[in-house]
Amino acid sequence: DTAVSQTPKYLVTQMGNDKSIKCEQNLGHDTMYWYKQDSKKFLKIMFSYNNKELIINETVPNRFSPKSPDKAHLNLHINSLELGDSAVYFCASSQYRDTYGYTFGSGTRLTVV
Amino acid sequence: DQQVKQNSPSLSVQEGRISILNCDYTNSMFDYFLWYKKYPAEGPTFLISISSIKDKNEDGRFTVFLNKSAKHLSLHIVPSQPGDSAVYFCAASAGAQKLVFGQGTRLTINP
Repeated sequence: DTAVSQTPKYLVTQMGNDKSIKCEQNLGHDTMYWYKQDSKKFLKIMFSYNNKELIINETVPNRFSPKSPDKAHLNLHINSLELGDSAVYFCASSQYRDTYGYTFGSGTRLTVV
Repeated sequence: DQQVKQNSPSLSVQEGRISILNCDYTNSMFDYFLWYKKYPAEGPTFLISISSIKDKNEDGRFTVFLNKSAKHLSLHIVPSQPGDSAVYFCAASAGAQKLVFGQGTRLTINP
């Protein structure tokens, strides 16, 4: 039974399209995150939600919009996709301020052509 | 600006020998450091951590060393096993806020 699941695992799309990545956790955690692994392989935080409220919003283009319908779900919607958005996106969850206990999903590889 | 850096993109070690992975950081406010391990097509998984009040933490074959004056930490794996082949990420946090990750080091254990 997967703890943090992301869908889809792979996503290939054309420039200009709008796409969404879904994330769900069944660990009972109250905080969820989106990380982006860029071409230089750094894992960089994009957003964090605690109990459906946005608590971290890094310098991310406003084409990226997270949505948390409840504390078990954090979806990422991307408008007007650009070539530079190609990356692996990881969802994670934890209890609030528990950096020890991040659990990651297996990632979504987004390729924009 | 990258606050956590792993300057070796890859490392190859003979099975049974010691693997040493290094990590440097720039933010003196970091007070908690972690190592994550990642296999292909999987997410990173927690391996070992250390608080800034310590300089060493051991867990079985894994030991993390912290040198605060040099802003440097290292992960020692001894003895190295084939199943240790993976990408290792160093991460740090300040005041239990977000985790800041390095770019990873790919460790290959040769039989």
